[in-house]
Amino acid sequence: GAGVSQTPSNKVTEKGKYVELRCDPISGHTALYWYRQSLGQGPEFLIYFQGTGAADDSGLPNDRFFAVRPEGSVSTLKIQRTERGDSAVYLCASSLGRGGTTDTGELFFGEGSRLTVL
Amino acid sequence: AQKITQTQPGMFVQEKEAVTLDCTYDTSDPSYGLFWYKQPSSGEMIFLIYQGSYDQQNATEGRYSLNFQKARKSANLVISASQLGDSAMYFCAMREIQGAQKLVFGQGTRLTINP
Repeated sequence: GAGVSQTPSNKVTEKGKYVELRCDPISGHTALYWYRQSLGQGPEFLIYFQGTGAADDSGLPNDRFFAVRPEGSVSTLKIQRTERGDSAVYLCASSLGRGGTTDTGELFFGEGSRLTVL
Repeated sequence: AQKITQTQPGMFVQEKEAVTLDCTYDTSDPSYGLFWYKQPSSGEMIFLIYQGSYDQQNATEGRYSLNFQKARKSANLVISASQLGDSAMYFCAMREIQGAQKLVFGQGTRLTINP
């Protein structure tokens, strides 16, 4: 597609339920990022993929959060046993991922998935 | 660890005036990139401008310019001739080239342009 696509755009769930959020990056972008943004705050880094592997998962808050990118394209962020504090907008972004001097590392963002845990 | 600081939670400016949004950063990586993004109330993140740590000149993109002062570790965004449509959240971000690779964001500044 032309841009980064995220589904669902809105998700309301109950405390304790399992949630999956999907991200379809720009075609050809090898790097994919997940961020979490709470109201009035800057995006908080969660995890970064280069190809199929997680290059940096240092931002995942605990073991309830997990993300995969099995074929190096679409990624799924999985949240188990959701808590009210997980409510936020989850942003996905992709970039060329080539590195070096020709790639600034600019991220192209999707419109986000708003998660509300009741 | 890399860190971005934006000290202005909110800024109010009259239309057509210039505005400077402050950003300071901290990193031990000699090679890094600095970014500014705009986030309107609709929520999308819009890339505005990029400055590489080894770039000799300050970056400019239309009405946006980046006042890069490497010794002070500051990367302020200057918007000239502000417009009502400039009202939004603005985020400064940094990516270490040799280090963590991830883009780290500041807390943002909410800019309001008054008619």
